[in-house]
Amino acid sequence: DTGVSQDPRHKITKRGQNVTFRCDPISEHNRLYWYRQTLGQGPEFLTYFQNEAQLEKSRLLSDRFSAERPKGSFSTLEIQRTEQGDSAMYLCASSLGAGPNRLGNQPQHFGDGTRLSIL
Amino acid sequence: KNEVEQSPQNLTAQEGEFITINCSYSVGISALHWLQQHPGGGIVSLFMLSSGKKKHGRLIATINIQEKHSSLHITASHPRDSAVYICATSSGSARQLTFGSGTQLTVLP
Repeated sequence: DTGVSQDPRHKITKRGQNVTFRCDPISEHNRLYWYRQTLGQGPEFLTYFQNEAQLEKSRLLSDRFSAERPKGSFSTLEIQRTEQGDSAMYLCASSLGAGPNRLGNQPQHFGDGTRLSIL
Repeated sequence: KNEVEQSPQNLTAQEGEFITINCSYSVGISALHWLQQHPGGGIVSLFMLSSGKKKHGRLIATINIQEKHSSLHITASHPRDSAVYICATSSGSARQLTFGSGTQLTVLP
């Protein structure tokens, strides 16, 4: 399967602990996005990478959140000192960027998400 | 800031019915996306369009740029179409998506 994969699928942890999620995008995709989705709502944008560079961050991404994409391939999202309000589904998506024969708008391919529950 | 509104929030239909889900947005966009989300979280992209109309099987998506409005139609609905359908817009250099809150569709046999 060459789709976007996320690990773990589920994470249950106590308040105050640190957690780290991983996303492996489709291999030729240079754009990578993180979104957060709470119950009954649509996802909300967190951050965006073009290759290894983190180019945009939402105001939702507090100082406790950090994301990396060190080699322009997989990405990690870390949450430090987790709080109850961090409970959500964390979704990763990837897409191609603009190219010589390709427009800037490309469909995003989503992973199945990591569901985080804070006790 | 772009606001994306979907209606209805919930929709129950009988198998075979024609279904319409509506989406409106507040500012100019690069493209509009329709996505499908099944229980468990996985999201699948159905359409990406910036003008006119697209069709794939029993699904049709239309957009009116002047009215800032899009519709997703499902013809001859089937219970396997039951899912959450989400409208999203992309804009900005990052083309990040701004999502509506979704429409929960249930198709009864």
